[in-house]
Amino acid sequence: DTGVSQDPRHKITKRGQNVTFRCDPISEHNRLYWYRQTLGQGPEFLTYFQNEAQLEKSRLLSDRFSAERPKGSFSTLEIQRTEQGDSAMYLCASSQEPPYEQYFGPGTRLTVT
Amino acid sequence: AQSVTQPDIHITVSEGASLELRCNYSYGATPYLFWYVQSPGQGLQLLLKYFSGDTLVQGIKGFEAEFKRSQSSFNLRKPSVHWSDAAEYFCAVGPEYGNKLVFGAGTILRVKS
Repeated sequence: DTGVSQDPRHKITKRGQNVTFRCDPISEHNRLYWYRQTLGQGPEFLTYFQNEAQLEKSRLLSDRFSAERPKGSFSTLEIQRTEQGDSAMYLCASSQEPPYEQYFGPGTRLTVT
Repeated sequence: AQSVTQPDIHITVSEGASLELRCNYSYGATPYLFWYVQSPGQGLQLLLKYFSGDTLVQGIKGFEAEFKRSQSSFNLRKPSVHWSDAAEYFCAVGPEYGNKLVFGAGTILRVKS
């Protein structure tokens, strides 16, 4: 068990560009979560999947954001037409059900210039 | 609305001294409670969790936390702090059957020698 992995770890992009992040959960975990963390704040929930189904989306997830988990394994989070306000750490977590405790990856730090 | 309050933004303790980090939550149903630790630039590591049963729970790295329903609190404690404990600590609350966690804003712990 290698834990949750995320790629890339850092991404610098120019405003208006599209970016895509990948998350690989712990292999036996069927739930996968995305959170966003800005400086000085705790993580904020964005969305989660149970297997390949996206079951809940936060109002933080605007139309420019889309997440997929096509085969119930890895997930991607895409941000279209990035804005400076999108600069943040994007965290992925996974869990089994039960016991539902979430294990986090190292995060992808996005900087929009 | 679900919320978590961590009243202390920064705490400084001497190495070897005891530690208590405060967490108060607002939650309408049976809460699942968690403490996570985050080192700079890293993801979150689960320290401990409370689901039910004994209100004093033990975690990794010598940490413990006590759930007090009457006070809506879940304070984290450690009897003797080590320099390596310097990090940011997050309290989180979630529903009984998983999905999203709501995090506090975090407490930054500094350890002085």
